[in-house]
Amino acid sequence: EIVLTQSPGTLSLSPGEGATLSCRASQSVSISYLAWYQQKPGQAPRLLIYGASSRATGIPDRFSGSGSGTDFTLTISRLEPEDFAVYYCQQFNNSWTFGQGTKVEIK
Amino acid sequence: EVQLVESGGGLVQPGGSLRLSCAASGFTFSSYWMHWARQAPGTGLVWVSRIQSDGSKTWYADSVKGRFTISRDNAKNTLYLQMNALRAEDTAVYFCAREAYDQGQRWFDPWGQGTLVTVSS
Repeated sequence: EIVLTQSPGTLSLSPGEGATLSCRASQSVSISYLAWYQQKPGQAPRLLIYGASSRATGIPDRFSGSGSGTDFTLTISRLEPEDFAVYYCQQFNNSWTFGQGTKVEIK
Repeated sequence: EVQLVESGGGLVQPGGSLRLSCAASGFTFSSYWMHWARQAPGTGLVWVSRIQSDGSKTWYADSVKGRFTISRDNAKNTLYLQMNALRAEDTAVYFCAREAYDQGQRWFDPWGQGTLVTVSS
């Protein structure tokens, strides 16, 4: 099973600042099989990025994904108030595991 | 609108059973692989089970293998999760999700709103 490790666990930032979230895999993951989701309290996860770097429909361009192999990154260029949430990466290469999440909180 | 709506959650005693349903609308349900995932209170997402589009093949997380059964009725556009021998550690919000695909890429979208299962005496 591929284990995804996200860092940091929590990011404390102010609106307008940029955020860089990391997702490291225990084995290589095809870029086709790496996705990112946003989850707010009491809500279902929402797809942000698929194929490591393709934005889902309706996702603002301040969200971008990059990476390959075992290291992937989600970048939020300028945090808006609605971006404070928990973010998960997921891989489809071997089973369907999620990272443990990164919480982006207001500083 | 593409939508998934779960139902069937509730309070059940340890060792008991529960069947969750996930009603799909707005897309050709029979063309997609479907999944269940869960989230225990205050924790992250955990994949539970997957079923092939025609229902002929299933996959399970080790933690539920032998106790949970995923199934689907393509005529009713509905996904199911039969949960037996429930344990306290199965307490979670259960989400159904569609595995979408395009040009070799795969992702979960949409997700249902979730249904809470509480296992307690």
